[in-house]
Amino acid sequence: SQTIHQWPATLVQPVGSPLSLECTVEGTSNPNLYWYRQAAGRGLQLLFYSVGIGQISSEVPQNLSASRPQDRQFILSSKKLLLSDSGFYLCAWSVATLNIQYFGAGTRLSVL
Amino acid sequence: QQQVKQSPQSLIVQKGGISIINCAYENTAFDYFPWYQQFPGKGPALLIAIRPDVSEKKEGRFTISFNKSAKQFSLHIMDSQPGDSATYFCAARGLTGNTPLVFGKGTRLSVIA
Repeated sequence: SQTIHQWPATLVQPVGSPLSLECTVEGTSNPNLYWYRQAAGRGLQLLFYSVGIGQISSEVPQNLSASRPQDRQFILSSKKLLLSDSGFYLCAWSVATLNIQYFGAGTRLSVL
Repeated sequence: QQQVKQSPQSLIVQKGGISIINCAYENTAFDYFPWYQQFPGKGPALLIAIRPDVSEKKEGRFTISFNKSAKQFSLHIMDSQPGDSATYFCAARGLTGNTPLVFGKGTRLSVIA
């Protein structure tokens, strides 16, 4: 069966510090991968998605970036965090032909 | 045209009552309509889904009703329980497999005893 791992679960970072969140999927090949951000009590904002290694689509211009160095690995990064980057970050995957998305447990990021 | 409009934003239901969440869409190319359930601090989980060639799908206490002509679909939770208290998202899938799901803004459901 397929599983998605996302870490860390919680992260507290100072303003201006770098960020690296990692997501990996097991049990499938060539998945579509997604990064979402969810502000407190709000909806799901799609940040990036990837249909293959090195292929990244950005949905929202910001100081975040994403990379996909391996087939089942998706990384969300920032060089300098802003207060507004605080939120709940969710990674998701889907089988490309079906596009039913399955979410990870999320990372709670607090930028102070 | 790519939006999915979800209502209400929040909902309070008595235990044992029926919870109803509605969604509407414009894009007739959408071909699959899943609902996700999210508990606080957790990732959304796929709850139930329907295709547009079916008018209703039921799984336990959860039912999706689909009205293709009106371009609307709804989630009904029968005999609502406090454990159903969560945020619910409707979504829609386009015909292109690589296009991300389009999500509604979510409904926060509180079931009170």
